[in-house]
Amino acid sequence: RKEVEQDPGPFNVPEGATVAFNCTYSNSASQSFFWYRQDCRKEPKLLMSVYSSGNEDGRFTAQLNRASQYISLLIRDSKLSDSATYLCAVNRDSGNTPLVFGKGTRLSVIA
Amino acid sequence: EPEVTQTPSHQVTQMGQEVILRCVPISNHLYFYWYRQILGQKVEFLVSFYNNEISEKSEIFDDQFSVERPDGSNFTLKIRSTKLEDSAMYFCASVAEGTYGYTFGSGTRLTVV
Repeated sequence: RKEVEQDPGPFNVPEGATVAFNCTYSNSASQSFFWYRQDCRKEPKLLMSVYSSGNEDGRFTAQLNRASQYISLLIRDSKLSDSATYLCAVNRDSGNTPLVFGKGTRLSVIA
Repeated sequence: EPEVTQTPSHQVTQMGQEVILRCVPISNHLYFYWYRQILGQKVEFLVSFYNNEISEKSEIFDDQFSVERPDGSNFTLKIRSTKLEDSAMYFCASVAEGTYGYTFGSGTRLTVV
């Protein structure tokens, strides 16, 4: 099983749609979970951290399921500007270990 | 908003040449990283640096690679003898003590010809 796996997409959705991304990770000892956004040929930008209790930031909601080793990102009311690749990142082990990134899921929001 | 700064933004080099990629992390951050991303591939960890020494490195970070923090602000990645397969985007990242969300620089696109 790969360390961090994501559905590669692409997801093509109309403006206003709700879209969900999933990510699984292999090491149950991982403690830190993030979603990053990456625009074409740009650096990853931190979108949000993911906590066990789930967290929301405007139209974005992230959830963590430790039992299933699964994290998710939900985008509501998607905008054209949400078009990007969404990367899941998980620290490789407990403590301050490097982040391991998934390959990303590409989202295209169309008018 | 504080930024991680990387230079140059694009470097073209001949195979076998040495390159040095430069990064200025955010000033109060203590952990520094180099990642690379080959076109169309995922972001891959190369090396982490803390307290003026390498704390961890990946299999990719072989003897051709080295890192330095020569003057307390710059953080450099050196590739001694570049190969075609070193062509990639190289991202520097830093993070503050007690947090884990990295801030990435805008990257250096390295093209080895």
